[in-house]
Amino acid sequence: DARVTQTPRDKVTEMGQEVTMRCQPILGHNTVFWYRQTMMQGLELLAYFRNRAPLDDSGMPKDRFSAEMPDATLATLKIQPSEPRDSAVYFCASGLGNSGSAQFFGPGTRLTVL
Amino acid sequence: AQSVTQLDSQVPVFEEAPVELRCNYSSSVSVYLFWYVQYPNQGLQLLLKYLSGSTLVKGINGFEAEFNKSQTSFHLRKPSVHISDTAEYFCAVSEVDKIIFGKGTRLHILP
Repeated sequence: DARVTQTPRDKVTEMGQEVTMRCQPILGHNTVFWYRQTMMQGLELLAYFRNRAPLDDSGMPKDRFSAEMPDATLATLKIQPSEPRDSAVYFCASGLGNSGSAQFFGPGTRLTVL
Repeated sequence: AQSVTQLDSQVPVFEEAPVELRCNYSSSVSVYLFWYVQYPNQGLQLLLKYLSGSTLVKGINGFEAEFNKSQTSFHLRKPSVHISDTAEYFCAVSEVDKIIFGKGTRLHILP
């Protein structure tokens, strides 16, 4: 049963610390998405990649957030330095990237920045 | 740009009663539409999708949705809900290589 995996599932850190979240997309999927979900803002698209190349990261705060795909089986989202307002659930999703293709979501990383 | 409007932020319904969650999209061209469900503390899961063909689409867990081009709607229905259907439901539309999500509708099942 192919699924997207994310680590860690929960992360509590202090303001100013670096946070790295990892995602393993479904094998064969060439498009990876990072979302952030909060009660206030709902689901926000932060960035996405196709064939490991960034296509759009306009939803991401540039000064502290960075997203990469070191290889086809790993996507990372890094926050440095973290701030309390970054507290949210971060989801990774993968898909085939064609118009009409569904996205398949991971279980999320719940980040709490104190 | 495509957009999706979910008209109700919350919908309470009694167990075993029917439910309809409303969704309208903005597009005058061919669209691909989705419904996702998010159970508490989980990621989003695909319920069903409309690409073309029959306007009535059947999904998992007894849900179905009807594509109505003239009304630009894609409402989700279930004839009889169960307590396990308590979740947030997202309508979404495909835009080139990404998906635009609505703000979600929380379905509360009342005993």
